[in-house]
Amino acid sequence: EVQLVESGGGLVQPGGSLRLSCAASGFPFSSHSMHWVRQAPGKGLQWVSFISSDSAFIYYADSVKGRFTVSRDTANNSLYLQMNSLRADDTAVYYCATDRKYYFDHWGRGALVTVSS
Amino acid sequence: EVLLTQSPGTLSLSPGEGATLSCRASHSVRNYLAWYQQKPGQAPRLLIYDAYNRAPGVPARFSGGGSGTDFTLTISSLEPEDFGVYYCQQRSIWPPLTFGGGTKVEI
Repeated sequence: EVQLVESGGGLVQPGGSLRLSCAASGFPFSSHSMHWVRQAPGKGLQWVSFISSDSAFIYYADSVKGRFTVSRDTANNSLYLQMNSLRADDTAVYYCATDRKYYFDHWGRGALVTVSS
Repeated sequence: EVLLTQSPGTLSLSPGEGATLSCRASHSVRNYLAWYQQKPGQAPRLLIYDAYNRAPGVPARFSGGGSGTDFTLTISSLEPEDFGVYYCQQRSIWPPLTFGGGTKVEI
């Protein structure tokens, strides 16, 4: 069974940093591309970032480009999202998801990031 | 960026009734469109991909159609567990991958 478990969320002040992790199991992580998707409270879904299986291709939404960095550790079956210069409008539940032809196949339960002073 | 507009915003229906949800794209996305279901407090679930292909485990009462700029998700006979918010998403022109604003299906 595919399992994705996000961690690392929490409360951070504007301008601060946070690193999200996504622990993957139940599938061959090394051969799957991955995404981060977020959802602001009471709002819709927004794609954040994509990383290919070999990390050769990485893409970001314009709203996070230059501030967020996605990475992966195949040895530990983990996906990461380093978030710097956080703003109030980054407040959201952040989901990691497996890629299925650039759709989102399996999702984690999400990690809440709150940016507030 | 491809904008996806979903309608209606809310559908109020009863179990057993049929539902038709619409998603319109600002540019042709060919058939590269997916549908997701999200229930309160849960992560979204992939239902349909490439416009009409059901994801594994998705009941046959869910069907997708359309191509180009106009797409539909049809639920033939609503079950109590089908209530929630439905999102469309395109992968034809990216980055960015984009979602519609959602349609809430409620009792």
